Amino acid sequence: DAKTTQPNSMESNEEEPVHLPCNHSTISGTDYIHWYRQLPSQGPEYVIHGLTSNVNNRMASLAIAEDRKSSTLILHRATLRDAAVYYCILKKADDKIIFGKGTRLHILP
Amino acid sequence: DTAVSQTPKYLVTQMGNDKSIKCEQNLGHDTMYWYKQDSKKFLKIMFSYNNKELIINETVPNRFSPKSPDKAHLNLHINSLELGDSAVYFCASSHLHGYRKGLYTEAFFGQGTRLTVV
Repeated sequence: DAKTTQPNSMESNEEEPVHLPCNHSTISGTDYIHWYRQLPSQGPEYVIHGLTSNVNNRMASLAIAEDRKSSTLILHRATLRDAAVYYCILKKADDKIIFGKGTRLHILP
Repeated sequence: DTAVSQTPKYLVTQMGNDKSIKCEQNLGHDTMYWYKQDSKKFLKIMFSYNNKELIINETVPNRFSPKSPDKAHLNLHINSLELGDSAVYFCASSHLHGYRKGLYTEAFFGQGTRLTVV
C-alpha cells in the first residue's frame, strides 16, 4: 500500500483557515486520496476525497498537486468543533481503508 | 436514525470471559468492517465482510470470530478475553464496489465500543 506522510500535530486559531498537508510521493495512478477525521471519543468520519482535480464540499476543500505527490486539506474557517485527528489515506477504488497516524489538529480560541 | 450502531458502548469484563459486540447498519451497504483502536490511538482493520462473506481477515487471534447473519449486521465475538484485548472497537460499513455503480464509497463508522478487560 502506498504510504502517506503527515505532520504529527498542528495548531490553528479559531475562525481562521487551516491547511493540512499530506505527502504521498509513491501514489499510483489508481489511488484515490481520501481524508477522514476522528473527533474526540467518536468514530472516524469521512471528510472528502479526490483523484486528480481539486474538490470542494460543505466540510472542506481538497487541493491536489499536479503531480499528485501531495495534497492539502483546507478547512476554510476552523471552529473549536474541528479539533480532531485528520487522516490522509490513499485507497484504490475497491479497497479497504488503512489508517496512518494522522495529524492532530488543535484549535485555539 | 443512526447509520451504524454498535452495542454496547462500554463493556467491562474479566479475563477469560467470552463477550460479543453487535453492529448494525441501515445504509444498505454491502460491506462491513471491524477496526480496533488501541491505547496509542492507532486504528487497525481486523475483518471485513462483503455480502455476508469474509473478504479481509488481518492477523487477528482466532479467539476473535466475526459473524454476519445478514448484510446489515456484523457481530464480533471474542473468546477467552485477555488484558491486551482492551481497546475501542469500531464497526464500519460502505459500498465496497460503489465506484462501479456510481455510488458514494465513503465508509461510515459507529461510535465505538470501549472494551476493558480486568
